Amino acid sequence: RKEVEQDPGPFNVPEGATVAFNCTYSNSASQSFFWYRQDCRKEPKLLMSVYSSGNEDGRFTAQLNRASQYISLLIRDSKLSDSATYLCVVGSSSASKIIFGSGTRLSIRP
Amino acid sequence: DAGVIQSPRHEVTEMGQEVTLRCKPISGHNSLFWYRQTMMRGLELLIYFNNNVPIDDSGMPEDRFSAKMPNASFSTLKIQPSEPRDSAVYFCASSSDLATDTQYFGPGTRLTVL
Repeated sequence: RKEVEQDPGPFNVPEGATVAFNCTYSNSASQSFFWYRQDCRKEPKLLMSVYSSGNEDGRFTAQLNRASQYISLLIRDSKLSDSATYLCVVGSSSASKIIFGSGTRLSIRP
Repeated sequence: DAGVIQSPRHEVTEMGQEVTLRCKPISGHNSLFWYRQTMMRGLELLIYFNNNVPIDDSGMPEDRFSAKMPNASFSTLKIQPSEPRDSAVYFCASSSDLATDTQYFGPGTRLTVL
């Protein structure tokens, strides 16, 4: 089992739709969580950190469920410019490592 | 802030040649990561350093790959001899903490081995 798992997609949704991704992790001692975005032929960039209480940034909402060991990303009112690959990232200081998921591809159609 | 700098941006070489990729992390960051990305295998962590010391190189595919970080502002990833299956985009990233802070990626080096 991979330490961080994501549905690879692709998710193909119409503009304006709401889309959600989940990501599961295996190390219960993990304490830092992030979502990164990677556009085609570009480097990954931080989209948002994920806090225990959940957090929102405009149309994007991230949630953490420690009991079930997953994090989620919700995108509301999706735009064409949201088309990208979304990478789930989990870190553990005790294990001295940070792990990227393999990414979920999202394609928004007009 | 110049961000993470990688060179070269593109490299085309022939099988058997030595390839050296270079990375300059963001000043003040003490963790540095090397990744490889292909369509088939996605983003793979090759090796990472903390305070210039290699912490985990279990992702390095084989002995043909080696990485060094002689000081806090420079790292290299070397492939010798290169093979066509090494063709990929190689990213370097840095952060101020190994496991809890944002990683900032360089633009990557696109390597093609013929």
